[in-house]
Amino acid sequence: NAGVTQTPKFQVLKTGQSMTLQCAQDMNHNSMYWYRQDPGMGLRLIYYSASEGTTDKGEVPNGYNVSRLNKREFSLRLESAAPSQTSVYFCASSGVFETGVGNTIYFGEGSWLTVV
Amino acid sequence: QQQVKQSPQSLIVQKGGISIINCAYENTAFDYFPWYQQFPGKGPALLIAIRPDVSEKKEGRFTISFNKSAKQFSLHIMDSQPGDSATYFCAASTDKLIFGTGTRLQVFP
Repeated sequence: NAGVTQTPKFQVLKTGQSMTLQCAQDMNHNSMYWYRQDPGMGLRLIYYSASEGTTDKGEVPNGYNVSRLNKREFSLRLESAAPSQTSVYFCASSGVFETGVGNTIYFGEGSWLTVV
Repeated sequence: QQQVKQSPQSLIVQKGGISIINCAYENTAFDYFPWYQQFPGKGPALLIAIRPDVSEKKEGRFTISFNKSAKQFSLHIMDSQPGDSATYFCAASTDKLIFGTGTRLQVFP
């Protein structure tokens, strides 16, 4: 089982360049997320999509856009990359929140992005 | 404003010892408290989780203790092993997860 697959694994961008991080899940999950991970800051939610056709801002949405292309795919776009966006980006997905069970989020393996 | 505060930032434990990581939260609407484990170069993965209607949950060597009145919860790793060396994140949620800042655990033989 692939789970959550994100590409690319590594990317170096120049300031002002644009790029799109791709993410796909094969678990038939409704919800998908994009997080960034920075030293000492933990995992911060950038955007999420509770279901196909909907997207919402998380804690740190500035400088990013997202597209929920279909139920499987959720992309993150940096329109004009800045050094402050140097980070590790994680895509994740989850099923429906179940009372008494919770809502397990499954993460991809991360995309290391450096903006110079 | 950080909604989930985690400590310590790093922890060094000898093999066989007990590792304890603490978290505190502010939002009383949170109703699900998971812990995630992350190895270098990998994404986080669910380790163990608890709901606020119980005070403790144990799975093997891993135990969550939950204090609803104090709005605190902690992860205890008994008989810590070098293979437990990883970064641990606490989290809390209503409909989406809010993560703590992480604790890097190193277990030495």
